[in-house]
Formats: sequence, structure tokens, C-alpha cells
Amino acid sequence: DVQLLESGGGLVQPGGSLRLSCAASKFIFGRFAMNWVRQAPGKGLEWVATISASGASPYYAESVNGRFTISRDNSKSTLYLEMNFLRGDDTAIYYCARDNVDDSGIPRGYFDYWGQGTLVAVSS
Amino acid sequence: DIQMTQSPSTLSASVGDSVTITCRASQSITEDLAWYQQKPGKVPKVLIYGASSLQSGVPARFFGSGSGTQFTLTITDLQPDDFATYYCLQYYNYWAFGQGTKVDIE
Repeated sequence: DVQLLESGGGLVQPGGSLRLSCAASKFIFGRFAMNWVRQAPGKGLEWVATISASGASPYYAESVNGRFTISRDNSKSTLYLEMNFLRGDDTAIYYCARDNVDDSGIPRGYFDYWGQGTLVAVSS
Repeated sequence: DIQMTQSPSTLSASVGDSVTITCRASQSITEDLAWYQQKPGKVPKVLIYGASSLQSGVPARFFGSGSGTQFTLTITDLQPDDFATYYCLQYYNYWAFGQGTKVDIE
């Protein structure tokens, strides 16, 4: 079955940086758009960023635009999220999620498989 | 940006009940809407996509409807496993989740 394994979370000071990774397996990674979604403690889900299958087209939520960078290495089946200028309200579990595709391989836009998440805590 | 307004925020029900959750979009999203179920400490699970299509493996007691700006998720014959938090997600223009609806035991 599809596997997504996030890593790289931890405690970081405000203004600091962190790089998250999501290792994918059991599917052809380079054929799927990928996403980052976060969830602050006790709060709802928030879309963070999406990247197209080729990696050519990134998209960001307003709350992270200019501070976070989504990227991917299809040769390594790995998704990344570079997070800079971190703030307290970035504290959350960060999930990577795969975009669903139809039978023709066209992205549908919703997220079908999710990793277990990695916790990012921003605090001094 | 498209805003998604979900209601109610909390809903109390009993096993066997039918419940309905509503999601309203700030502009038309045609039928580009999915519904997710999340249990405490667990990963979200997709139930419905395309507003009304049942994801493979999801019980038929989950029913999605709507188009444009108004959408509903109805759960009939509520089972103990259904007590969870539910989120809508629009994917018409970028992506945005609703605030969530917690369905708990009455």
C-alpha cells in the first residue's frame, strides 16, 4: 500500500529554520502532485503547499508564502518543505499528502493518502 | 481566496441517528469538494470526492451532495466508529479546509 513517511520535525526557536522530508514508496512518485497540510495542536486542518508532479509548479498558502519552499526529488521519491523565519503559529503537525489522480493520470485535486505527520514546535 | 464555512462546529448524536454537516463556499467551486474524517491522534481519511462520489472502501451510509457554494455530508445509521471530526476541502482554486465538525456521542 502507499507509504508516506515524514521526518525532520523538532523544536526550533522563533526566526529559525527547519527542513521537512517526506519519503514516498509503493507508488510511482513522479506521477503525482504532492502536498503539505498542517494541524496546530487541538485545531483544524490547514493546507500549506502543493507541488506539481514535475516539480515545476509550486503553490502556497498566504500564511507561508515567502517563508516556506516546497520542492521534490523524483529520483529519490522524496518531498521537501523548507521552512524559514518560523513563528509560534507555525507550531503544528505537518503531514505530507498525495494528490489523487483519475484513470488517465490527471490530478483530481483532493488528497487521498497521508503520512503520519511530523511535529514542528516553534518556541524559545 | 475561497473561504469554506462549515457548520455546525459540534454535533451530538446517538448510534443509529442520521446527521448532516454543511459546508458553504465563498464562491462557486462547482463540485470540487471532498469530505474527510479524522479521529483523535489519527490521520485524516477521505470519504467523498467530487462532492458526491464515494471513495473506495467507504461505507454507503456516507452521502455527499451539493454543487456551487452549498454542500452537505449526511451520515445515516450512525455507528460507534463514526464519532469523529469531519472536514470539507475545496480544491477548485488552490485548496482550503472548513473549520471542522466534531460529531460526539449524545
